[in-house]
Amino acid sequence: AQTVTQSQPEMSVQEAETVTLSCTYDTSESDYYLFWYKQPPSRQMILVIRQEAYKQQNATENRFSVNFQKAAKSFSLKISDSQLGDAAMYFCAYYSGNQFYFGTGTSLTVIP
Amino acid sequence: GAVVSQHPSWVICKSGTSVKIECRSLDFQATTMFWYRQFPKQSLMLMATSNEGSKATYEQGVEKDKFLINHASLTLSTLTVTSAHPEDSSFYICSASELAPHEQFFGPGTRLTVL
Repeated sequence: AQTVTQSQPEMSVQEAETVTLSCTYDTSESDYYLFWYKQPPSRQMILVIRQEAYKQQNATENRFSVNFQKAAKSFSLKISDSQLGDAAMYFCAYYSGNQFYFGTGTSLTVIP
Repeated sequence: GAVVSQHPSWVICKSGTSVKIECRSLDFQATTMFWYRQFPKQSLMLMATSNEGSKATYEQGVEKDKFLINHASLTLSTLTVTSAHPEDSSFYICSASELAPHEQFFGPGTRLTVL
């Protein structure tokens, strides 16, 4: 069975600094997608970044980038130049074969 | 683009009554819609997947007679919680995809409180 593990329930970062959120997953599939979603207090899920497993190049979206290690089944999110608006719950997610699995989330606090 | 709405955003009902939650894709045709449940400070749990015009596929452990899902059109899916009980109180989130199921757009969620 596919599982997604986020081992950091809470993280904090100083404004303008960099933080990395960890995610590992377990799968026997070779073709899948990985995501990081942000859920602010409004609870609206917002896609931060997406990685396709067959692509070796790490995805980047402005201040957000991932470190995708397929062999290690690791998918960490790096947030550079952290801003107050980055404070939220971050969920790592896995998709394959019409199945979506979410990790338990990491609550990120940004300290002014 | 790619906006998904949910209605209502918050509903309170008495135990034993049924509640319907609507999920609409406003600017695209949603061939697939997903329904999730999220408990406080917990992750999203996929309840079911529905394709337009077809019966929903429920995840293991989700009571299909309890959570009725209808996807009658390409822009609307509904989740009806039948004979709701306090343990059904939760945050329900829908998402929709047009072409590729992995490209999901999430609604803002509906908070259900059963008294």
